Order: sequence, then structure tokens, then C-alpha cells
Amino acid sequence: GAVVSQHPSRVICKSGTSVKIECRSLDFQATTMFWYRQFPKQSLMLMATSNEGSKATYEQGVEKDKFLINHASLTLSTLTVTSAHPEDSSFYICSAARTAINTGELFFGEGSRLTVL
Amino acid sequence: GQQVMQIPQYQHVQEGEDFTTYCNSSTTLSNIQWYKQRPGGHPVFLIQLVKSGEVKKQKRLTFQFGEAKKNSSLHITATQTTDVGTYFCAGQGGRRALTFGSGTRLQVQP
Repeated sequence: GAVVSQHPSRVICKSGTSVKIECRSLDFQATTMFWYRQFPKQSLMLMATSNEGSKATYEQGVEKDKFLINHASLTLSTLTVTSAHPEDSSFYICSAARTAINTGELFFGEGSRLTVL
Repeated sequence: GQQVMQIPQYQHVQEGEDFTTYCNSSTTLSNIQWYKQRPGGHPVFLIQLVKSGEVKKQKRLTFQFGEAKKNSSLHITATQTTDVGTYFCAGQGGRRALTFGSGTRLQVQP
């Protein structure tokens, strides 16, 4: 199957700092990538849809100035958590669809566990 | 907005017993997908159902999509310890992004 790589897998930072998470589709071009957030033993909550070459579409309640998303190329999307606080500690997962049509399997990255001290 | 609920939240079975998780959407879906997430891992795609009333099988796993395309189920026959994990359904209602269900965590006692 397709491979989506996410980096870093774990990051610990101090409160107030910014953290960048990268999501790469290694063997296919992804015009759209999705960013999810998952709290322990809970479901995946969609944060935003990242579109190559245009602004991301954020879900209701997600602060776009806090969670900056950049989709600079067809294989790379980044999520930057700005001025991180302990409540931002979570598991962040990206995903990408291989096809350009509206339906299809999503390939997930390995996830990034963020801990803000 | 679209909501997808799953029951039960958690199930503990003895190895060899069957297991079923149910998924219900507040809106009609264009398709439903199922994912498995092992502890500490990321979701892995299992299957996609598109047609009303569709039934698909993968070895011991049976997936169903309701006639109204608002509910789905996953049934595992004769569970094994390798089946441990959280099973998520995810519905797509015409938009690109999936809405994930709340998940069912399966524990299998050897």
C-alpha cells in the first residue's frame, strides 16, 4: 500500500515554543492531506484539510492561527503548533488519499505525539 | 454536522468468541470505511463499503453496510489475540474528509 511518513514521531517542548510536524506521501502525489488530532483512548478528530497550493480548510473550533498548515508541494504538508501550551499535548496524525476523486482509502502517517511541558 | 457513533465503546472477549461493533451515522453516507488501530499505532485501512446493503468478508471479518446507508457493522468470528485493537468506522457524506466514529476497543483474553 501507499506510504505516508510523519516526522517527528515524538516531540517534547516547553510551553510557548512552536513545533512543526511534517507529513510526506512517499510514493504518490497527494493534492489533499488531512490533519487529525487524537486524545488518549478517543477517536480521531479532523482538524483541517490541507490543499496543495491553497489555504487549508479548518474545522469549526480549530484555531487557524494556532495550527498553521502549509501544503507546499504534492508530497508534503506541515502542521505548526504555534505558542504551544500543555493543553495542546496530543497525538497528531496526518493522512492522504491516493485518488483525486471524492471517495477512497486514506493512508495514515505514523502519528506525532506532542508533549508540552 | 455529521456525527458517527459506535457501540460498544469497549469489549473484552475470550479468545475464540465472536465480536461485533456497530456504527451509526446521523446522515446518509456515500461510503463507509473501517480502520483498525493497534495500541500505540496509527489507523490502518481495512475495507470500504459503498453500496446499500453491501456485505464484504475478509477471512474472519464480515462487514455490512445498511440498506439506508446510515449504519454499518463489523463482525469478527472466533477472535484471536492478534485482533486486539480499536476498530473505527469512518463515514463519508459527500465531502472529501472522513468523519470517524468513536471507536470500539477490543481486548482478547488468551
